[in-house]
Formats: sequence, structure tokens, C-alpha cells
Amino acid sequence: GNSVTQMEGPVTLSEEAFLTINCTYTATGYPSLFWYVQYPGEGLQLLLKATKADDKGSNKGFEATYRKETTSFHLEKGSVQVSDSAVYFCALSDRTGGFKTIFGAGTRLFVKA
Amino acid sequence: NAGVTQTPKFQVLKTGQSMTLQCAQDMNHNSMYWYRQDPGMGLRLIYYSASEGTTDKGEVPNGYNVSRLNKREFSLRLESAAPSQTSVYFCASTDGRGYGYTFGSGTRLTVV
Repeated sequence: GNSVTQMEGPVTLSEEAFLTINCTYTATGYPSLFWYVQYPGEGLQLLLKATKADDKGSNKGFEATYRKETTSFHLEKGSVQVSDSAVYFCALSDRTGGFKTIFGAGTRLFVKA
Repeated sequence: NAGVTQTPKFQVLKTGQSMTLQCAQDMNHNSMYWYRQDPGMGLRLIYYSASEGTTDKGEVPNGYNVSRLNKREFSLRLESAAPSQTSVYFCASTDGRGYGYTFGSGTRLTVV
């Protein structure tokens, strides 16, 4: 079955550091890939998405490229801010069940001033 | 604001009690989902409704039932709560085009 594996946290960075959170997936067919972000006490929010191979999703300075050859969708940001402290979830969905989605375990990011 | 509304936000139940978690969306989305979030385990799908009038089991359906009341509303019922059901429950919806979910703010449930 489909699955998502992402790097364990927590990840602690200083402000303005470069961020990478690794995500790999296993899926049959051609899934869509997503990154969601969860701030304390809130629900998840869609951060970015990519629907086919070689697509790059981007939003708020975050980027991720759909790499079918390495089955990866790593999240990157060139310069993190304290306000980026949150939990980040990698996810995939296919066309079954109205696009039901499988989530990774989440990676907590702490950014220090 | 448009979105997904969940009620209640917090609930404490005694073992064996029942309750219904409510979810409503005002975005005319076709598909709705219930997930539970536990530490270190990400989100696990409990039940989903791909379209109005249909419901299906997800990864962890035991101990739960659902009702898709209409296109807007999708409720989750615990008939006899157990401590293992202590979790944060999220409802989500999507328009079915594969562009991602909109989540509610969650219900934090504690079963004692």
C-alpha cells in the first residue's frame, strides 16, 4: 500500500538558517504530493502541493519538487524565521476514495532567534 | 469565514459513554474525512465520505461510526468510549480535484 516516510524531529535551527525536511513515499500510480503545516493548537493547513513528476510546489518561501525517480518530495526554505516554528507533514493522495490522503508522522521545527 | 467547523473543541468522557463529534463545511466540497492524531503517529484515517450518500472505512475504524447527513455535514460517533480513543480528532474536506484538504481546528477528546 501507499506510505510516506519523513525525517524524525525535532529539527532545531537558528533564524535565517537553511531548512531541509526529507520526505520519501511509496505509491502505485501517480499520486499528488503535499506539505501541510500545523501551528500549536490548530488544524493542519495546506502549505504547498505538486500533482505530477518534476512539478515544484512553492508558498511563503517554502519549496518542494516532485521527484519520481527518487520517490521524494523534500521541503526546503532558504532562510527560516521564528514564526516558521511548527510541525510539518508530508502527505500523498491518489484518486481512490475521493482523494483520501496518507500522512507522514510529522517533523517538528524549532527556530531560535 | 468559509471553512470547516468542528464542535466541540474539547471533551472529557468517562469510559463507556457515547458522544458525537460534529463537522460542517461551507465550501460545497464533495468529500469529507475524519482523522485522529496521536503523538508520533501522524494522522490516521478513521472514516471518509467520497460523496454525499456514501461512507467508507479508513485505516482505524473500530469503535467509531459516521453519518454523512447532507453535503455539508459529516458526524463521527463513539458508541462506547474507551481510553484508547483519547486523541485529537480532525475533520477535513476537499473538492475532489486532488488539490488538498481544508481542515477543521480539531476536537481534543480525553476518555478517563
